[in-house]
Amino acid sequence: GNSVTQMEGPVTLSEEAFLTINCTYTATGYPSLFWYVQYPGEGLQLLLKATKADDKGSNKGFEATYRKETTSFHLEKGSVQVSDSAVYFCALSPLGGNTPLVFGKGTRLSVIA
Amino acid sequence: KAGVTQTPRYLIKTRGQQVTLSCSPISGHRSVSWYQQTPGQGLQFLFEYFSETQRNKGNFPGRFSGRQFSNSRSEMNVSTLELGDSALYLCASTPGGTALSYEQYFGPGTRLTVT
Repeated sequence: GNSVTQMEGPVTLSEEAFLTINCTYTATGYPSLFWYVQYPGEGLQLLLKATKADDKGSNKGFEATYRKETTSFHLEKGSVQVSDSAVYFCALSPLGGNTPLVFGKGTRLSVIA
Repeated sequence: KAGVTQTPRYLIKTRGQQVTLSCSPISGHRSVSWYQQTPGQGLQFLFEYFSETQRNKGNFPGRFSGRQFSNSRSEMNVSTLELGDSALYLCASTPGGTALSYEQYFGPGTRLTVT
């Protein structure tokens, strides 16, 4: 079946540090991949996406590359800010859509000044 | 364009009661999905409605039900509430139809506390 595995948190970084949150997936075919972010007290917001192999999604300084050979979609940011403190979810949409998104368990990031 | 709205934002109910949550999708979106989020289980899919029909269903007991109206607004109902139903209930909408990229837009959620 389809599944997403994220690194467990919490992750605590100092401001301006480099961030990597690992995400690997299991799916039939070539799913679309997403990163969502949830700030305290809010719902999930789409952060970035990639729909095919070698695509790089990017937004707000965050990047993730769809790696088919390693079935991975790791989230990276070169210099985190306190405002990036949130929970990050990796998710996949099986090929063809029209089926529910499959989410990882989320990784909590805390950035300290 | 207005985002996904959910009402109410907070609810406190007693065991055994029932509750109805409401979700208004983004204008033009025809698909609405519901998720339950808890610290222990993470995000769990409840069900999805498209054009007033339930298209997908997660692994939840029959106490959890939903419906969608002709204007795409959706409600979910939980009957005979249990303590374990305390959670953040999230609604998400998407244009629907056939799509290779099932990008969902989430509302802020309804925080349900069962005492």
